[in-house]
Amino acid sequence: GNSVTQMEGPVTLSEEAFLTINCTYTATGYPSLFWYVQYPGEGLQLLLKATKADDKGSNKGFEATYRKETTSFHLEKGSVQVSDSAVYFCALPNYGGATNKLIFGTGTLLAVQP
Amino acid sequence: GAGVSQSPRYKVAKRGQDVALRCDPISGHVSLFWYQQALGQGPEFLTYFQNEAQLDKSGLPSDRFFAERPEGSVSTLKIQRTQQEDSAVYLCASSLLGGLRTDTQYFGPGTRLTVL
Repeated sequence: GNSVTQMEGPVTLSEEAFLTINCTYTATGYPSLFWYVQYPGEGLQLLLKATKADDKGSNKGFEATYRKETTSFHLEKGSVQVSDSAVYFCALPNYGGATNKLIFGTGTLLAVQP
Repeated sequence: GAGVSQSPRYKVAKRGQDVALRCDPISGHVSLFWYQQALGQGPEFLTYFQNEAQLDKSGLPSDRFFAERPEGSVSTLKIQRTQQEDSAVYLCASSLLGGLRTDTQYFGPGTRLTVL
């Protein structure tokens, strides 16, 4: 089945620093790819997604490009804020059975210091 | 409230007790998923409903885990004879479409279960 490998954390950055969180995947075909974010005490929220190769997903200043050549979907942000402190999960559907259940990476904790 | 809600938010159980966790999906959403998230890990799939039909229960770790969605809306995840290894956050998610169409899943806040 499909799988995802995510950069381990924690990642500690100063405010306004550049952020990259690496995500690589193994998949049959070209599934949609997702980044979810989990703020402290809250549930998972979809941050961005890309549905086909070379697509760029973007939201709240975050971007990720679907690279089929390198099977990657790295998350980037040019200038992080303290409010971006959260756990970030890369995910993709795992085909099989009756639905496209999501497979998640282990999560990367981002801590942004003022 | 237009989001997915779950109750209770926190549950402490003694080993051997039965627990029931509730999920209220977004109104009109066909698909409902349950995931288990252990501390420091990503969520792992437990089971899937399309309306009232449980079409995939391949992720349920044992026959102590049981889920239902009798009217195609609210769902309950039941764990019988809880064990310490059941301690985790249980997440519910819903999506508008059903079946094999990839669709955004909207997650609830989760229920944190602690088994003593």
